[in-house]
Amino acid sequence: KQEVTQIPAALSVPEGENLVLNCSFTDSAIYNLQWFRQDPGKGLTSLLLIQSSQREQTSGRLNASLDKSSGRSTLYIAASQPGDSATYLCAVKGNTPLVFGKGTRLSVIA
Amino acid sequence: GAVVSQHPSRVICKSGTSVKIECRSLDFQATTMFWYRQFPKQSLMLMATSNEGSKATYEQGVEKDKFLINHASLTLSTLTVTSAHPEDSSFYICSAGTGEGYTFGSGTRLTVV
Repeated sequence: KQEVTQIPAALSVPEGENLVLNCSFTDSAIYNLQWFRQDPGKGLTSLLLIQSSQREQTSGRLNASLDKSSGRSTLYIAASQPGDSATYLCAVKGNTPLVFGKGTRLSVIA
Repeated sequence: GAVVSQHPSRVICKSGTSVKIECRSLDFQATTMFWYRQFPKQSLMLMATSNEGSKATYEQGVEKDKFLINHASLTLSTLTVTSAHPEDSSFYICSAGTGEGYTFGSGTRLTVV
């Protein structure tokens, strides 16, 4: 059974810092991995999708990497801003529907 | 990009009544949609997979008679919480797969009083 773990559970940083969020999964037989952002009381917004054959994806200040063999992904956020404050979820897709981690709650302090 | 619209965003109902939540794919057809439940500060737990024109597939532990799912068209899936109780209060989110991964609705906050 696929299990997804996200570390840290919560993170608080001053504005302008670069930061890394971590995601690990137990079963490396995945099709893709997706990073989402969730604001309080809201749905999920897709940030980046990495196919199993890819190593990384970039969108603006966000960069996600995937090391399928070791079961790890990272989300790098450059020059963090207060508007980046949210919960970040990673989810993996294998032969079952998406499996989510519990998320990292990020607070960027102005 | 693909958009999934979910309605209502918030609903308060009395214990014992039923509530229907709608999930629509606005600019694409979705033969499969997914319904999730999220408790405070917890991750999303898959409740069921909704299949157009056929019965939904429920995850272990989810009562299919309590959480009725109907996927009558390629753009609409509904989740009905029947005989709601306070313990059913939660955040419910639907999603659909597209060529760009999965797209999620904005969620429905259900409060049963």
